[in-house]
Amino acid sequence: AQTVTQSQPEMSVQEAETVTLSCTYDTSESDYYLFWYKQPPSRQMILVIRQEAYKQQNATENRFSVNFQKAAKSFSLKISDSQLGDAAMYFCAYRSANNNDMRFGAGTRLTVKP
Amino acid sequence: DAGVIQSPRHEVTEMGQEVTLRCKPISGHDYLFWYRQTMMRGLELLIYFNNNVPIDDSGMPEDRFSAKMPNASFSTLKIQPSEPRDSAVYFCASSFSVRGYTFGSGTRLTVV
Repeated sequence: AQTVTQSQPEMSVQEAETVTLSCTYDTSESDYYLFWYKQPPSRQMILVIRQEAYKQQNATENRFSVNFQKAAKSFSLKISDSQLGDAAMYFCAYRSANNNDMRFGAGTRLTVKP
Repeated sequence: DAGVIQSPRHEVTEMGQEVTLRCKPISGHDYLFWYRQTMMRGLELLIYFNNNVPIDDSGMPEDRFSAKMPNASFSTLKIQPSEPRDSAVYFCASSFSVRGYTFGSGTRLTVV
């Protein structure tokens, strides 16, 4: 079974600075998808960014970008120009292309300091 | 599009009572997922459906839990009888292809 590991239970960043959240995963599959979700205190799960394993180019969504290292099975999230509204739990997730269920990491709580 | 709609948003019930959680997926989505979130175990996949058919229910904790999807626009997760350890936030999510899931707002269940 696939596992997703987020080794940083908590991270903090100064407003306007850059922060990187780590994620590693374990799989024997070659075709899969990776995601980062944000969960603010409202508890709504919000999709931040998505990466297809077959794409070498790292995904980018405005201030959010990923560093996808397929051989190392690493998928980190970089948040640039951090804003107070970025404070939330961030979950890394793996979805197999074969069976469509999604597995989540334990999450990283991000605090943004003004 | 109203997104994935879950009800109720909060539920408090006494141990031993039956609890039913409801979900309306996004129209056109062919996958529906039920997750449970707790501090201790994080986000756990309970069951998922494809075209209203249960595909994998290996995450359902025990026979007290059951889920149905009678049509493409409605699903329920039932716990009977409920126990205090069932207290958690239960999420429903739906998807089409592999663009990522859209989650509902969750139901916070408290069993006293």
